[in-house]
Amino acid sequence: DAGVTQSPTHLIKTRGQHVTLRCSPISGHKSVSWYQQVLGQGPQFIFQYYEKEERGRGNFPDRFSARQFPNYSSELNVNALLLGDSALYLCASSATSDNGSPLHFGNGTRLTVT
Amino acid sequence: KQEVTQIPAALSVPEGENLVLNCSFTDSAIYNLQWFRQDPGKGLTSLLLIQSSQREQTSGRLNASLDKSSGRSTLYIAASQPGDSATYLCAVPSGSARQLTFGSGTQLTVLP
Repeated sequence: DAGVTQSPTHLIKTRGQHVTLRCSPISGHKSVSWYQQVLGQGPQFIFQYYEKEERGRGNFPDRFSARQFPNYSSELNVNALLLGDSALYLCASSATSDNGSPLHFGNGTRLTVT
Repeated sequence: KQEVTQIPAALSVPEGENLVLNCSFTDSAIYNLQWFRQDPGKGLTSLLLIQSSQREQTSGRLNASLDKSSGRSTLYIAASQPGDSATYLCAVPSGSARQLTFGSGTQLTVLP
């Protein structure tokens, strides 16, 4: 079975631009979460979606948005990119919307903002 | 606000040693605790999930313990191998969503 897949794997953008990151969860998983990991730190929670509805939002500005599609895949959008948005963006899926099952992470998208 | 701390930040050991990684959290009212492994530039691999009602979980050479009352968890790695070299992260749920609060990780290097 395929794990969580993310695309693209690497991306270079310029300040002020917009970026869209994509995630496909493990088959059968309806919950998708997004995390930002800056070098040397643990991941920080951005969003959780379950059954196409936003279930949680972390402490990130409105420049960050996301959505989930009927097939449970998800997109993370970031507008007006700043240098500080450079990070590894991780997507995770789980079978349930609560904390009863483990999160499974993809390999991430490495975003560099110049 | 939940805070998770991992000590040490980095650890280097010779092959074959048994070792312990530490994780502490400030709010003991946790639902579970999860240990992850992260290879350089890669995503996170789930190693062990301990429910709040459990005290230990084992998978192969890995054993994780959980003491909610003291706000601590340990990850024990037996007979370490160079392939164990990676960053190990612990995380606990925060809030009602699938939000995990992570520690900053312990970077482990096992020398051949």
